[in-house]
Amino acid sequence: TAGITQAPTSQILAAGRSMTLRCTQDMRHNAMYWYRQDLGLGLRLIHYSNTAGTTGKGEVPDGYSVSRANTDDFPLTLASAVPSQTSVYFCASSDRRYGELFFGEGSRLTVL
Amino acid sequence: DQQVKQNSPSLSVQEGRISILNCDYTNSMFDYFLWYKKYPAEGPTFLISISSIKDKNEDGRFTVFLNKSAKHLSLHIVPSQPGDSAVYFCAADYGQNFVFGPGTRLSVLP
Repeated sequence: TAGITQAPTSQILAAGRSMTLRCTQDMRHNAMYWYRQDLGLGLRLIHYSNTAGTTGKGEVPDGYSVSRANTDDFPLTLASAVPSQTSVYFCASSDRRYGELFFGEGSRLTVL
Repeated sequence: DQQVKQNSPSLSVQEGRISILNCDYTNSMFDYFLWYKKYPAEGPTFLISISSIKDKNEDGRFTVFLNKSAKHLSLHIVPSQPGDSAVYFCAADYGQNFVFGPGTRLSVLP
């Protein structure tokens, strides 16, 4: 079972360039999330979507945008990357309130 | 200001002994708590959860205890095994979003 697929697995990006991290789930979950993981800070929520067609801002949304055109896909876009966006990004999904989050394997992004 | 805190960045335990990982939270509106385990180069995986109406939940070797008055929860692993070596994240639910702590790296020594 695929669950959540993220791409790319890793990427090195020059500052100022744009980048889209892709996320696809095959579990038909309504809710999807993007987190970034940084040492000592844990997982911080960037953006979320409770259902297709809606999105919301999380704890650290600046510099990122998302879209949710359908249930399965939830891409994360960095319009103009900065070095502070160097991180590991995790996409997750959930099918109900109090439901556990299912995570992808992560995308490691380095901005130089 | 972190709403979910894990004050021990790391913990080492001998194989077969008990591992106790602690988590504190500040927001009294949190009503659901989860523990996730993460291996290197993998995504976090769900381990165990507890609702705020309970004070204990057990699943095999893993038990989570919740003390609402102290805003504290703990994860007990008994007996600890080398395969339990990972980073453990505590998470709390508010609305439909989850707030994570910074994680505790557990090392189980053979």
